[in-house]
Amino acid sequence: NAGVTQTPKFQVLKTGQSMTLQCAQDMNHEYMSWYRQDPGMGLRLIHYSVGAGITDQGEVPNGYNVSRSTTEDFPLRLLSAAPSQTSVYFCASTRTLTVPGELFFGEGSRLTVL
Amino acid sequence: GEDVEQSLFLSVREGDSSVINCTYTDSSSTYLYWYKQEPGAGLQLLTYIFSNMDMKQDQRLTVLLNKKDKHLSLRIADTQTGDSAIYFCAESSPPGTRAGSYQLTFGKGTKLSVIP
Repeated sequence: NAGVTQTPKFQVLKTGQSMTLQCAQDMNHEYMSWYRQDPGMGLRLIHYSVGAGITDQGEVPNGYNVSRSTTEDFPLRLLSAAPSQTSVYFCASTRTLTVPGELFFGEGSRLTVL
Repeated sequence: GEDVEQSLFLSVREGDSSVINCTYTDSSSTYLYWYKQEPGAGLQLLTYIFSNMDMKQDQRLTVLLNKKDKHLSLRIADTQTGDSAIYFCAESSPPGTRAGSYQLTFGKGTKLSVIP
């Protein structure tokens, strides 16, 4: 049972480069989300989706794009990386009709922007 | 806006009890949660409590909720070295707000260190 899979686990970018963090879940979860985790800041919501074709912004969406063409996948795109985007990124999902808030997290993607 | 506050560090000796505290501001919170993050891993749901409950016990874990003071605590009895991790308090709002009940507000996390 794979759960939530994130790739890559580690990435180093130069300022201005673009890249996509991949997230896939095999639990048929309707809700998927991206968080970033920074020291002393906890987790902050970037974008989320309540189903295929539906996305919305979270607390810190600037500099990131998302799309949800299938139930399983929810990629996060950095259009022009900046050092302020150095962080650990977590993808999380849940079934919308179960106990609210029981999010299932991936193992994280550590991104460094030079 | 909603806010969840926790102390950042806690250190206890193996075998003692640990108490991790959390305060929140959103009085409409329906569920309150404790998540655990082990080093190099994602978060895992540890336990949760519905806002109309005062206490919930699950093996070594006891969750206490004081809704009047908006205070939540997690007590870990007989703390083991394997309990060393970051513990996050989180709250969710009623359906119809913030993408239904799926969107959580997390605290900054309390790093628990267990001394052998």
